Amino acid sequence: KQEVTQIPAALSVPEGENLVLNCSFTDSAIYNLQWFRQDPGKGLTSLLLIQSSQREQTSGRLNASLDKSSGRSTLYIAASQPGDSATYLCAVEGAGNQFYFGTGTSLTVIP
Amino acid sequence: DGGITQSPKYLFRKEGQNVTLSCEQNLNHDAMYWYRQDPGQGLRLIYYSQIVNDFQKGDIAEGYSVSREKKESFPLTVTSAQKNPTAFYLCASSIDRRSETQYFGPGTRLLVL
Repeated sequence: KQEVTQIPAALSVPEGENLVLNCSFTDSAIYNLQWFRQDPGKGLTSLLLIQSSQREQTSGRLNASLDKSSGRSTLYIAASQPGDSATYLCAVEGAGNQFYFGTGTSLTVIP
Repeated sequence: DGGITQSPKYLFRKEGQNVTLSCEQNLNHDAMYWYRQDPGQGLRLIYYSQIVNDFQKGDIAEGYSVSREKKESFPLTVTSAQKNPTAFYLCASSIDRRSETQYFGPGTRLLVL
């Protein structure tokens, strides 16, 4: 069974810093990987989707990479802002339309 | 505006009571999903549906039931058989083909009285 792990569980950085969030998965047979953002008590917002044939995707200050063979993905956030404070989740899609989510990284950007 | 709506935002359940969580989407998506989120754990899939009148169990389907009579609607019933229902429930949808983004609703928080 697919297992998705995110490290660190929590991260606190001063405003303006660049940062990296990590996601690892045990089964490399995935169709895609997504990064989501969750604000307290709210639903998820999809940030980036990387298909299994791709190595990275970029959207504004966000860049996500995928190394399927090693079972790893990173989310890079450039020039962090207080509004980036949230929980970030990664999820992989496997066979049968099944999605497996990590436990999340709680990010706090200090003004 | 297109999107997914869930209601209610908060729901209270008494012991032995069945409750139903609503999920509606106007994105014309074929696939819909229900997830449960517990503190310190990742999202876990309860049920999913790839097409009207069809649905499949996810990883933690016991104590839950769903229906998919309309493309736009995928209600989740938390039955009295679910012994630990307190959680945050998220509904999602996607176009039913590979490598498409899932769109999530705002969630329903279920509490047991």
